Amino acid sequence: DAKTTQPNSMESNEEEPVHLPCNHSTISGTDYIHWYRQLPSQGPEYVIHGLTSNVNNRMASLAIAEDRKSSTLILHRATLRDAAVYYCILRAEYGNKLVFGAGTILRVKS
Amino acid sequence: EAGVTQFPSHSVIEKGQTVTLRCDPISGHDNLYWYRRVMGKEIKFLLHFVKESKQDESGMPNNRFLAERTGGTYSTLKVQPAELEDSGVYFCASSQVRGLATGIQYFGAGTRLSVL
Repeated sequence: DAKTTQPNSMESNEEEPVHLPCNHSTISGTDYIHWYRQLPSQGPEYVIHGLTSNVNNRMASLAIAEDRKSSTLILHRATLRDAAVYYCILRAEYGNKLVFGAGTILRVKS
Repeated sequence: EAGVTQFPSHSVIEKGQTVTLRCDPISGHDNLYWYRRVMGKEIKFLLHFVKESKQDESGMPNNRFLAERTGGTYSTLKVQPAELEDSGVYFCASSQVRGLATGIQYFGAGTRLSVL
């Protein structure tokens, strides 16, 4: 599975947008980009995924670079509940298992 | 609809004892996964069931770990005998689709295992 690189931690103010970056320079053409997050004392939770085009859902937006070597998860208005570890994961076309890295610890200040 | 349920939430045992963790997936999900995070490390894949069959057990650390999914419903993960390095949080996840990179995995809250 291709490797991703994320900052160890980021901080945001409540009610402000947050941009969480992810580099995946070795991504293959059929790898999907997935984001999961893990809230304190809970299991990982699916956030969003995409292949080439930018994606939006009720939780977040995913912006994918044109060359697909990087992507950004966007939380439009961070809340205290969004404080979590965010994982950027590449999944092969027929991949099943998730390969977690260290993720980014997001801290949200009130 | 009930999510993925894991039992117990926390287990404390002594080295050399046996522990069995249980996972109830979301109803109708044929795919069931076990993952774990041990001391300060990243979450690692253990194995994947499709119904009652083991599809991929490449992440199982050694033969002290035995996973079963009789009848293709709930799954158990037995550690026998437990060692200190087995301490960590064990997660179970389930999903509907197999073999598609778009499949969403739904995780349980995990079982925290402490081996003393």
